[in-house]
Amino acid sequence: ETGVTQSPTHLIKTRGQQVTLRCSSQSGHNTVSWYQQALGQGPQFIFQYYREEENGRGNFPPRFSGLQFPNYSSELNVNALELDDSALYLCASTLGGGESNLYGYTFGSGTRLTVV
Amino acid sequence: AQSVTQLGSHVSVSEGALVLLRCNYSSSVPPYLFWYVQYPNQGLQLLLKYTSAATLVKGINGFEAEFKKSETSFHLTKPSAHMSDAAEYFCAVSDDNAGGTSYGKLTFGQGTILTVHP
Repeated sequence: ETGVTQSPTHLIKTRGQQVTLRCSSQSGHNTVSWYQQALGQGPQFIFQYYREEENGRGNFPPRFSGLQFPNYSSELNVNALELDDSALYLCASTLGGGESNLYGYTFGSGTRLTVV
Repeated sequence: AQSVTQLGSHVSVSEGALVLLRCNYSSSVPPYLFWYVQYPNQGLQLLLKYTSAATLVKGINGFEAEFKKSETSFHLTKPSAHMSDAAEYFCAVSDDNAGGTSYGKLTFGQGTILTVHP
């Protein structure tokens, strides 16, 4: 097991720009979720992918989008960045197919995005 | 919809004292419950999880939590605090239901920052 790795660790973008955050899931984990954690808050669910298809989405606008690839990597894309998008973005992976809660999610260390 | 309330955004204890972090949940289905710990500038690490197998759940680093359905609570405890326990702790409930056909979206509480004094 290699855990969940995210890149980059820190990123500064200008309002209106687009950003892509990357995540490499633990080998064999076919389910990946993305969370946004604003300063001083708990993580908020953005969306989840299972076998390369989105199968759940939180209360985030369409400018937040994602992709999951067969090699257990995934991306979070955010268009038209706003100042409020500044946060820690966390990727989490698990075994899917109904086993997510029994197995638990493994989180990465996150990407700290600052929008100026 | 699920929700989680963590009572006390900050808890301070002395080294060696009991740690008690409170969590109450709301769920329309039998819940899956989790406690995570987050150290500064790091991601979340799973401490323990309740999946209906036993109401008293033991986790890593000496932590445990008891599921009380009548009180809709899942409080986290540790008999003796250590300096290394200083961190932020999050309680979470899963959106998944028994049968596991839906996705396991986690709904987190606001977090409790634990400070341990020498």
